Amino acid sequence: ETGVTQSPTHLIKTRGQQVTLRCSSQSGHNTVSWYQQALGQGPQFIFQYYREEENGRGNFPPRFSGLQFPNYSSELNVNALELDDSALYLCASSWGGLGTNEQFFGPGTRLTVL
Amino acid sequence: GQNIDQPTEMTATEGAIVQINCTYQTSGFNGLFWYQQHAGEAPTFLSYNVLDGLEEKGRFSSFLSRSKGYSYLLLKELQMKDSASYLCAVRDQGGATNKLIFGTGTLLAVQP
Repeated sequence: ETGVTQSPTHLIKTRGQQVTLRCSSQSGHNTVSWYQQALGQGPQFIFQYYREEENGRGNFPPRFSGLQFPNYSSELNVNALELDDSALYLCASSWGGLGTNEQFFGPGTRLTVL
Repeated sequence: GQNIDQPTEMTATEGAIVQINCTYQTSGFNGLFWYQQHAGEAPTFLSYNVLDGLEEKGRFSSFLSRSKGYSYLLLKELQMKDSASYLCAVRDQGGATNKLIFGTGTLLAVQP
């Protein structure tokens, strides 16, 4: 069973640029959630995708967008990067059925905006 | 509003027991999770409570009181490798099936 993977591991961008982060969900999982974790803070929910549809969104502006593909992998896109977007971006996959729905987190992508 | 409170930092001694508290006020509730996060790594699942009471899992136990909006994580026989941040998270009932609202985390330092 393959765990959640994310790419790239680290990324440095400048203000105003665009970035795409990628996530492969754990085998058998059809739900992917994205979180932003600033240094010293808990993760903040960005949005969730279930069967290729956005299924809930946190308090993030529209320049944060995403996609989920038929194989349930996902992308997070951020346009017009700002300095405050510097954070660890975590992807978590789960099975969107009944039960615990435990979320399994990937190792994250560390984004630095200069 | 959504609010989850937990202490910022705690220190404990190897071999001892430590209790990390979490209080929450959320618009919906569909379960409470505890995650462990070592520096620079992803959070890993420790426990889940949806009904009142104690859930035990080896050296880790978690308690929930829904009427009080309160949970704690109990770590026994502390080991140096338990030094990490411990995140309390509530699953929001409304909207997304699996939206987790996290506290800021409690940084636990285990000393020899």
